[in-house]
Amino acid sequence: NAGVTQTPKFRILKIGQSMTLQCAQDMNHNYMYWYRQDPGMGLKLIYYSVGAGITDKGEVPNGYNVSRSTTEDFPLRLELAAPSQTSVYFCASSYLRGEYNEQFFGPGTRLTVL
Amino acid sequence: QKEVEQNSGPLSVPEGAIASLNCTYSDRGSQSFFWYRQYSGKSPELIMSIYSNGDKEDGRFTAQLNKASQYVSLLIRDSQPSDSATYLCAATHTGTASKLTFGTGTRLQVTL
Repeated sequence: NAGVTQTPKFRILKIGQSMTLQCAQDMNHNYMYWYRQDPGMGLKLIYYSVGAGITDKGEVPNGYNVSRSTTEDFPLRLELAAPSQTSVYFCASSYLRGEYNEQFFGPGTRLTVL
Repeated sequence: QKEVEQNSGPLSVPEGAIASLNCTYSDRGSQSFFWYRQYSGKSPELIMSIYSNGDKEDGRFTAQLNKASQYVSLLIRDSQPSDSATYLCAATHTGTASKLTFGTGTRLQVTL
């Protein structure tokens, strides 16, 4: 199993550009998550999905969009990139059963907006 | 605002000693708690989960939970230089386990 994979690893965007961060998991997990992590800060939840076709906002959703057409894939779309979106983005997945929500993280995408 | 609080550190311990990492949480309804290890420039890695009051041991790691005091801790016995990392504490929200709130992490340095 590859686990959770993310592409690209690094990206530099200009202000106003758009891009999609890719995330895939091969563990048949029902839940998937997107977080951002700024230096010295904890992980902030952007969006999450409870299954194909179902997504919901997290703590910091503004400026982002998601979709989940399959169980495996959960791309994150940045429209009109801004310097405030410079961060490290992590995708995670879990198989939620009752209170059991052990999340497994991908390697991350380091994004710089100039 | 649901919060998970950790001392940012660095916590410095000599090799072979016990490292004690602490975490408090504000959401009294949180039921599940997790410790993640994050090396610099890498992604978080789950090392312990705990759901009931008391201690849970896994190798050199022991997680302790006290829901009455809203307190979670992680003990690392026989600390090794390879344990040097940032340790993130996370807790679920009241009424749903679908979302986690993460603390900002404690940086641990194990010195030779």
